[in-house]
Amino acid sequence: NAGVTQTPKFRVLKTGQSMTLLCAQDMNHEYMYWYRQDPGMGLRLIHYSVGEGTTAKGEVPDGYNVSRLKKQNFLLGLESAAPSQTSVYFCASTTAGEAAQYFGPGTRLTVL
Amino acid sequence: QQPVQSPQAVILREGEDAVINCSSSKALYSVHWYRQKHGEAPVFLMILLKGGEQKGHDKISASFNEKKQQSSLYLTASQLSYSGTYFCGTETSGGSNYKLTFGKGTLLTVNP
Repeated sequence: NAGVTQTPKFRVLKTGQSMTLLCAQDMNHEYMYWYRQDPGMGLRLIHYSVGEGTTAKGEVPDGYNVSRLKKQNFLLGLESAAPSQTSVYFCASTTAGEAAQYFGPGTRLTVL
Repeated sequence: QQPVQSPQAVILREGEDAVINCSSSKALYSVHWYRQKHGEAPVFLMILLKGGEQKGHDKISASFNEKKQQSSLYLTASQLSYSGTYFCGTETSGGSNYKLTFGKGTLLTVNP
């Protein structure tokens, strides 16, 4: 089992460019989450999904979109990147009755 | 609204004890504790459910006072491997989406 994987690991964008971050899990989890982590701010929830085809906004959704077309994948899109979106992005997943959220290794994104 | 963690940082010598606190302004259903080592993903430690339950994990234990909306993490006889940033994650409603709001973290450094 690979657990939760994230692609890419690192990325540098110019302001205004777009990109998609991919999260994949092989644990058949229903619930998936995208967080951003900035120094001194902890983990803040961007969007989440409670099942295939459903998504919902978290605490800091502005500037991001998500899609969950397949149960195992959760995509995070930046349509027009801004320097304020420079961050480390973590994906996590869990299932009903499971206490833990399982995190991917993270994607370090820099927007110039 | 993010739960408030205190202290922000603590430095220990090996074998010393520490307490990390997590306080919320909202009524809580559960509190989750995670540890993140530098450059790695957060890893689940334990969950505290409504009911004042205290749990343990090796020499790390935690309590949850639902009336005060507070949780504390106790690290006893600290080891070098305990170093990292500790996050509490709070859940304000039971079970429907397992959505957590994380505090800003407490950086724990254990020195020889």
